[in-house]
Amino acid sequence: GAVVSQHPSWVICKSGTSVKIECRSLDFQATTMFWYRQFPKQSLMLMATSNEGSKATYEQGVEKDKFLINHASLTLSTLTVTSAHPEDSSFYICSARTAGSGNTIYFGEGSWLTVV
Amino acid sequence: GNSVTQMEGPVTLSEEAFLTINCTYTATGYPSLFWYVQYPGEGLQLLLKATKADDKGSNKGFEATYRKETTSFHLEKGSVQVSDSAVYFCALTSNAGGTSYGKLTFGQGTILTVHP
Repeated sequence: GAVVSQHPSWVICKSGTSVKIECRSLDFQATTMFWYRQFPKQSLMLMATSNEGSKATYEQGVEKDKFLINHASLTLSTLTVTSAHPEDSSFYICSARTAGSGNTIYFGEGSWLTVV
Repeated sequence: GNSVTQMEGPVTLSEEAFLTINCTYTATGYPSLFWYVQYPGEGLQLLLKATKADDKGSNKGFEATYRKETTSFHLEKGSVQVSDSAVYFCALTSNAGGTSYGKLTFGQGTILTVHP
């Protein structure tokens, strides 16, 4: 079946540095991917919609200059957390939508980010 | 806007007990409804879904029926197992097949613990 892969699964970075998280659809083309954030013991909040070949659409309150999203191909979207701070530590998870009628949503395994 | 409300947790049950996790929603139009499960330290797995009123989604002994008249999608299982211990999320997305399909709104999650 369709699989969405995220990398890295977990990452630790120093404050002030940037970190990139990749989301790949392994056996289908995904013109649209979504990025969510989950704080410990809380629900998932949509951050942005990533559209292949165009700018991402950010949800209200999400800093687009801090959370850079690039969807350069039909199988890859990246989320870059720039100038990371400890409050950016969170679980980031992506999903990808298959194309066509009856489209289905698949989630990646998620990426744990810890900023120290 | 869309919203999803789940029953407060945590829920603690003995093995073979009956499970109900309530979920109600607010949405425009005719959303698709989902239940996702998240095991400790892992990403999201789709448990079941329903795309139109009166549809019943089922998987692994879990069931939920799309009730438009009560705007509900309650999750049930007749006999829970220890391995069902996880966090359960109710979610919706609008307009199957539309451009916004895949933007999920999640409930707050319900922690289920099943004891032997």
